[in-house]
Amino acid sequence: GAVVSQHPSRVICKSGTSVKIECRSLDFQATTMFWYRQFPKQSLMLMATSNEGSKATYEQGVEKDKFLINHASLTLSTLTVTSAHPEDSSFYICSAPVTGGTKNIQYFGAGTRLSVL
Amino acid sequence: AQTVTQSQPEMSVQEAETVTLSCTYDTSESNYYLFWYKQPPSRQMILVIRQEAYKQQNATENRFSVNFQKAAKSFSLKISDSQLGDTAMYFCAFALYLRDDKIIFGKGTRLHILP
Repeated sequence: GAVVSQHPSRVICKSGTSVKIECRSLDFQATTMFWYRQFPKQSLMLMATSNEGSKATYEQGVEKDKFLINHASLTLSTLTVTSAHPEDSSFYICSAPVTGGTKNIQYFGAGTRLSVL
Repeated sequence: AQTVTQSQPEMSVQEAETVTLSCTYDTSESNYYLFWYKQPPSRQMILVIRQEAYKQQNATENRFSVNFQKAAKSFSLKISDSQLGDTAMYFCAFALYLRDDKIIFGKGTRLHILP
């Protein structure tokens, strides 16, 4: 089946630094990818829709200058947490859909645990 | 706007028993998908089962089946012969039948299978 690779799986950084998270579709092309944030014992909250070749669409309340998204190719989207602070510590998950006909299946990356000291 | 509600934050059942997880949703659309995702301790999201709203027949995948009641906007998941490996967080989710593919998740039900 389709695979989505997310890297890194774990990152620890100092407050004020920027962190980049990559999401790759390994065996299919994804014009759209999604970025979620998940706090402990909570659900996935959609942050933004990453669109290949155009600007990302952010959900209400998500700071676009804080969470920069770049969808540089049909297989790669990156999320950069700029000037990270402890409150940005969370689990970030990306997903990419496989569509076509009646298909609508999302494949998820394994997630990135971000800890900001 | 679409919403997904899971009213059972946590459940526990004995191994080999059958358990049903509840989910209701709200939408004014007629074409959509419903999903159940499993998130084990590894936190990898795994698709358990999917239902197209235009299909009246309930989806089944081995020990997993759903009871889809479109008029009532209800979408419950039944796990038969539960196994220890079924212990996980289960999310009910909704997506419109559009190219957008955005998924809306419920708050989840934490399921414990007891030996």
